Formats: sequence, C-alpha cells, structure tokens
Amino acid sequence: DTAVSQTPKYLVTQMGNDKSIKCEQNLGHDTMYWYKQDSKKFLKIMFSYNNKELIINETVPNRFSPKSPDKAHLNLHINSLELGDSAVYFCASSQAGGIRYEQYFGPGTRLTVT
Amino acid sequence: TQLLEQSPQFLSIQEGENLTVYCNSSSVFSSLQWYRQEPGEGPVLLVTVVTGGEVKKLKRLTFQFGDARKDSSLHITAAQPGDTGLYLCAGGWAGGTSYGKLTFGQGTILTVHP
Repeated sequence: DTAVSQTPKYLVTQMGNDKSIKCEQNLGHDTMYWYKQDSKKFLKIMFSYNNKELIINETVPNRFSPKSPDKAHLNLHINSLELGDSAVYFCASSQAGGIRYEQYFGPGTRLTVT
Repeated sequence: TQLLEQSPQFLSIQEGENLTVYCNSSSVFSSLQWYRQEPGEGPVLLVTVVTGGEVKKLKRLTFQFGDARKDSSLHITAAQPGDTGLYLCAGGWAGGTSYGKLTFGQGTILTVHP
C-alpha cells in the first residue's frame, strides 16, 4: 500500500491556466505539507496543515491555495500559472508531537508550465 | 531563519571508496535527519538523530550529530553503485510554535561508478 500518494505524476500546462494537485496519506498522520523542489534540487516548504488547520504558510504567492478536506488529504490549487512555477511539488506527512519531525514524502508531481 | 549548509554539492567517486557529506548550521536543531532521493521519487528517510554527539549506523552508512546539535555528517564506507542518489540533510525545529518544521540543506548528488 502506498503511504503518501499524489496525482498527477506529471502536469504540463500553459501559462495562465489553473491546475490542482491532490495528495492522500494512509499513515494516520495528523500533519501534511507541500514542498517545492527547484531545478537545483533545493527543497523548500510551502504550507503545512495540522488536522485541517493551516499552521505553516511560507512566503508563497497568493496564487497558491492549499485545501485540506480532512487530515488524510491535502490538495494544492494554483491559479494563473507562471513559467517560474515549473518545479517538482512534493506532498509529505508526519505525526505532530515530540522533536523528531520525521516526514514521509509522496512521489512528487512534476509541473511544467510552457 | 534557520539555514543548513550542505557540502559537497556534487560527489563522483569509484566503487569501494569512502566518502563524507557534511551539514552545518549556526542554529541549534531539535533533530537532524538524512534523506535519500532517487530520480523521479520522493525523499526517503534514512535516519533521525536527536542527541548531541549521537552516532547511528545503517549498514555501511554512519551518521553523526554534532555535540552542539548544529551540524551533522554522513559517512559511507566502501561505496557501491547502488548508493548513487541525492542525499539531503534536514534540521527539525519548532521555532517557538507547537509544530515542527524542517529546513533542508541544498543536497549532495552522489554518483558511484562501477
């Protein structure tokens, strides 16, 4: 069974379009994240939700809007896509509490904006 | 802002050689994790260290957390082609909140030639 899954795996779209990426985890975790990995492989956190509540919102353009319908799902909607949005987006999950902060990542969604 | 400096960025070695990857910061972290990422996949957690001076071994991989919990190293003995991949260190901290987040290093792309 896949622990953290994302759809789609690849997304190719044109500038100005709106697109969504979906994420689901079956680990029973209460915290989920969205990360962006750029072409240099640098991984940066974008958002984090704990039990459907937004707890981390890094400096991300308003065009990005996360939504968590329940603690097992976290979706990312992107409006008015720009060339600079091209990257690999990873969903991750963890269990809050303690100091280990271990996260489990999905396979990623490669977004290409043309 | 917590920053993690990871070095080297690229490492190309022959099978059987030893190598060390470093992760340094001026900030104290509650935990330090090492992930490995293969092309087209998400990062996979290798180990978490939480105590200053802690050493953990995973087969040919040895991980160390600095005494002051500001730095860490990953040492691979007798590298094999199967060790090829992107290695990421990540520092966990709560930053005064109840929820932890990870700051990632820039990553080390390791290539082991047969």
